[in-house]
Amino acid sequence: AQKVTQAQTEISVVEKEDVTLDCVYETRDTTYYLFWYKQPPSGELVFLIRRNSFDEQNEISGRYSWNFQKSTSSFNFTITASQVVDSAVYFCARIDQTGANNLFFGTGTRLTVIP
Amino acid sequence: GAVVSQHPSRVICKSGTSVKIECRSLDFQATTMFWYRQFPKQSLMLMATSNEGSKATYEQGVEKDKFLINHASLTLSTLTVTSAHPEDSSFYICSARADRGRWDTQYFGPGTRLTVL
Repeated sequence: AQKVTQAQTEISVVEKEDVTLDCVYETRDTTYYLFWYKQPPSGELVFLIRRNSFDEQNEISGRYSWNFQKSTSSFNFTITASQVVDSAVYFCARIDQTGANNLFFGTGTRLTVIP
Repeated sequence: GAVVSQHPSRVICKSGTSVKIECRSLDFQATTMFWYRQFPKQSLMLMATSNEGSKATYEQGVEKDKFLINHASLTLSTLTVTSAHPEDSSFYICSARADRGRWDTQYFGPGTRLTVL
């Protein structure tokens, strides 16, 4: 099965600590996109990043950074100097160019930042 | 731009009743809309893909007679949960892909929380 695996179910950190959320994916496609979404308690999905399979450059956006390693099929997400507002469930997802272009979500990682 | 709305945001109903959830793309036309279901502390699971003017494509294990999907216009898709039961209580989220837009981009609605008593 072409899965998206987020091995960490729940993570707790103390405010200002750095935290990395892991994501490993499987795909047979050469062209695909990877995503990270944040889901706060309200439930609404917040788009964080989209990365295509041909762009392995790491990306930084403020306190957020992403490490895409095609060799290990991983797309990890790091939050630097975490804040209480970062507490949410984070989903990694993948969409392939072939087929129905459906978005496959990982199981999610619940991050709790303790003040 | 690219805003998707859902109505209602929250609904509580009695077992056996039917509930309709609307998904609208407010500032773009959406040839394709997707319906997801999310049970508590679980991931989003795709239920069905709806294309404007044609029948929806349901994922394996999703009963099409129970979850009726209508995509009558390029800006509106509806999901009707027929004869709802407590096990249908869940968070339902829709997304829309823009007509002539990127194949990799879906815009998500805010979700509808359904509670069946």
